[in-house]
Amino acid sequence: GQSLEQPSEVTAVEGAIVQINCTYQTSGFYGLSWYQQHDGGAPTFLSYNALDGLEETGRFSSFLSRSDSYGYLLLQELQMKDSASYFCAVRKGNYQLIWGAGTKLIIKP
Amino acid sequence: SAVISQKPSRDICQRGTSLTIQCQVDSQVTMMFWYRQQPGQSLTLIATANQGSEATYESGFVIDKFPISRPNLTFSTLTVSNMSPEDSSIYLCSVAKTGASSTDTQYFGPGTRLTVL
Repeated sequence: GQSLEQPSEVTAVEGAIVQINCTYQTSGFYGLSWYQQHDGGAPTFLSYNALDGLEETGRFSSFLSRSDSYGYLLLQELQMKDSASYFCAVRKGNYQLIWGAGTKLIIKP
Repeated sequence: SAVISQKPSRDICQRGTSLTIQCQVDSQVTMMFWYRQQPGQSLTLIATANQGSEATYESGFVIDKFPISRPNLTFSTLTVSNMSPEDSSIYLCSVAKTGASSTDTQYFGPGTRLTVL
């Protein structure tokens, strides 16, 4: 089967750091992506890891360990506008994405 | 990047009718995808629509219920046929930007919010 697991909800304080984990089991794997979706909005791309290690883009970083079938999204210096749902997704062949259930990030002042 | 528009943005339909959703991209793309998303839920891939070939449907979705057209590299339509209240959802189209410098990004349209009464 194919599945991705991520926490359903994470709460953090403005200015803090938060890590959202994702574990996956898929029959094919080309890379792990992260998307952000605000309520009522469309998903927007954040990062993509095809190889092991850390990718950094501004306040956001993403990590992948293919041997552990595990990745995480790290958000630093949290801002209220970061309140959203975050999805991990595994890229299969033909560029199809298999999506996790999503993690709702709640940020408190 | 890619800018994607969808029409209609929302609609309320009667059961038994059909609705065609249009997806327009500002650049030529090979791969286009149609998703369904219930509010607060994850995205479920309906089908992959590549220009010049028949759409490929995921398990649980059939062409008779969700016919797709892909007449050129910038446009696609998804029809939701013989609708029932269970078809109430947000329908999203997306495109994949590929190539040597690609990071396997998918860009999404704003979605079509469908309510079936």
